[in-house]
Amino acid sequence: RKEVEQDPGPFNVPEGATVAFNCTYSNSASQSFFWYRQDCRKEPKLLMSVYSSGNEDGRFTAQLNRASQYISLLIRDSKLSDSATYLCVVNMDTGRRALTFGSGTRLQVQP
Amino acid sequence: NAGVTQTPKFRVLKTGQSMTLLCAQDMNHEYMYWYRQDPGMGLRLIHYSVGEGTTAKGEVPDGYNVSRLKKQNFLLGLESAAPSQTSVYFCASSYGLADNSYEQYFGPGTRLTVT
Repeated sequence: RKEVEQDPGPFNVPEGATVAFNCTYSNSASQSFFWYRQDCRKEPKLLMSVYSSGNEDGRFTAQLNRASQYISLLIRDSKLSDSATYLCVVNMDTGRRALTFGSGTRLQVQP
Repeated sequence: NAGVTQTPKFRVLKTGQSMTLLCAQDMNHEYMYWYRQDPGMGLRLIHYSVGEGTTAKGEVPDGYNVSRLKKQNFLLGLESAAPSQTSVYFCASSYGLADNSYEQYFGPGTRLTVT
């Protein structure tokens, strides 16, 4: 079983749609959680951190469910520019501050 | 402020050849990392460094060596390249333990093909 699992997609949605991604992680002692965005053939960039209480940044909402060990990302009013791969990222080892990356969920927003 | 830079951007090697990938950051970050990214597998940690003069193994260290002689630079070496090392290599850096942020800043990547 992968340490961080995501549905690879692709998710094909029309502009203006709401889309949600889920991610599960294996280590119940994991401390920190993030969503990164990666555009085609580019480096990953932090989209948002995920807090226990849930957090929102504009059209993006992230939720954490520690009991079920999953993280979600909701995108409202999708834009063409949201097309990218979304990486679920978990910190499982605070000692080295290394992150464990999911393989990503690809989103394609269509006009 | 260039952030994290990597050289070269592309490289083709023959099996058995050696090369060094250079990562440089100008953010005064303590922590630096080397990852490889392969289709369907996500980013995997090769080696990392928690400060100048230190290095440690990550998840997939075999076939690679690293050095961090200066705080701003982190070098990844392939002594004898193999086709299995064909991948995209990303360098990243982050602040040290004093900072609670785990945000990692990535370089643009190096696309390496080993034939």
